[in-house]
Amino acid sequence: EPEVTQTPSHQVTQMGQEVILRCVPISNHLYFYWYRQILGQKVEFLVSFYNNEISEKSEIFDDQFSVERPDGSNFTLKIRSTKLEDSAMYFCASTQSGLAGGYEQFFGPGTRLTVL
Amino acid sequence: AQKVTQAQTEISVVEKEDVTLDCVYETRDTTYYLFWYKQPPSGELVFLIRRNSFDEQNEISGRYSWNFQKSTSSFNFTITASQVVDSAVYFCALSGTGANNLFFGTGTRLTVIP
Repeated sequence: EPEVTQTPSHQVTQMGQEVILRCVPISNHLYFYWYRQILGQKVEFLVSFYNNEISEKSEIFDDQFSVERPDGSNFTLKIRSTKLEDSAMYFCASTQSGLAGGYEQFFGPGTRLTVL
Repeated sequence: AQKVTQAQTEISVVEKEDVTLDCVYETRDTTYYLFWYKQPPSGELVFLIRRNSFDEQNEISGRYSWNFQKSTSSFNFTITASQVVDSAVYFCALSGTGANNLFFGTGTRLTVIP
C-alpha cells in the first residue's frame, strides 16, 4: 500500500541553524501539506502546496519557513534559523485532489525536531 | 473561520466499556468535511473516517460508530466494547469549501484499562 515517507525521523539542531525536513508524498497525489504538533498539543496546519506553488499558509508559516518540490518525488520544508519554539513533530501529508476539499489526507510518520 | 472543539481532554474506561468522544465544530461554509484521526503512542496519524456536510447518515464500522448531527454541529465518535489497543489520542478535524487544509481539535486522550 502506498504511503507517505518522511526523513529523518528525528532531527536535533542548535538554535539558529537551518534544517530541511524531507517528505516523499504518494506518487499520484497532487496536493501536499505540512503540519506541526508541539508536544502534547493539537496538530496545526502550516502550508499547502499545489502545482509548484503555495496554495495556502497559516500565520505560523512566516518568512523563516519555505517549501519546495525540488524534483518529482520530494517535498521539503526548510526552517532558515530555528528557534526553541520550533521544536515539534512535523507531519507531511498528501492527497489526490484538493479542488473541492474534503479528500482524505494521508500523513507521514512525522519528523521530530528538537531545537537546543 | 473554522473551529473544532473537543471538550474532553482525557477519558479513562475499563476494557469492554463503551465510550463516546465528543466533537463540536464551527464553520460558515455550507459545504464542509469532518474527519476523525487516531494517534497511537507511536505518534503517527491514522485516518478513521470522513463525512461531508450533506451526509448525515450515521456510520458503523466494526466497533466504531459515528453520529453526525448538523443541528447541533456535532460529530461524535463511539467505540463499543473498548480494547486496550484503542488507547490513543483521537482528533476530530474539519476542512471547508475549496481548501483542503485540516483544522484539528485539541484531541481526546483515551486510556483503556485492562
